[in-house]
Amino acid sequence: KQEVTQIPAALSVPEGENLVLNCSFTDSAIYNLQWFRQDPGKGLTSLLLIQSSQREQTSGRLNASLDKSSGRSTLYIAASQPGDSATYLCATYNTDKLIFGTGTRLQVFP
Amino acid sequence: EAGVAQSPRYKIIEKRQSVAFWCNPISGHATLYWYQQILGQGPKLLIQFQNNGVVDDSQLPKDRFSAERLKGVDSTLKIQPAKLEDSAVYLCASAHTYRSYGYTFGSGTRLTVV
Repeated sequence: KQEVTQIPAALSVPEGENLVLNCSFTDSAIYNLQWFRQDPGKGLTSLLLIQSSQREQTSGRLNASLDKSSGRSTLYIAASQPGDSATYLCATYNTDKLIFGTGTRLQVFP
Repeated sequence: EAGVAQSPRYKIIEKRQSVAFWCNPISGHATLYWYQQILGQGPKLLIQFQNNGVVDDSQLPKDRFSAERLKGVDSTLKIQPAKLEDSAVYLCASAHTYRSYGYTFGSGTRLTVV
């Protein structure tokens, strides 16, 4: 059974810092891995989808990497801004089902 | 295109009462999912539909939870009777086809059981 873990559970940083959020998973036989953002009281917004054949994906200030063999993914946020404050969830696709981690709650203060 | 619509946004009920949530997926999306997200945790899959058939309901507490997707479009999730531990956000998501990796999530229904 796939288990997805995210570290740290919470993070508070000043504006401008570069951040690394970690995601680990126990079953490396995944199809893809996806990072989501969740704002309070809102649904999930997809940030980056990394296909199993890829090593990383980039979108603006966000970069996500995937190492299936070690069961790890990282989300790198460059030059963090207060608007980045949210919960970040990683999820693996096992067949067509998303298995979510517990999330990292990020607060970026001015 | 319109997103995944869910209602109500919030619901407060007493334990042992019943409650129902509604989801309207993106037009043409054949696959529909219901997830339960307890505060401080990641979403957990409850049930997956492909058109109007159930693909996976292995984590649905069937003694109190039920779900249906009539005509392969809208879906309802019901809890009867509710327990305190059912307090959570219930998220609906849809995808275009089976094993399509482009999920779209609704805003969710926040349920509080008192």
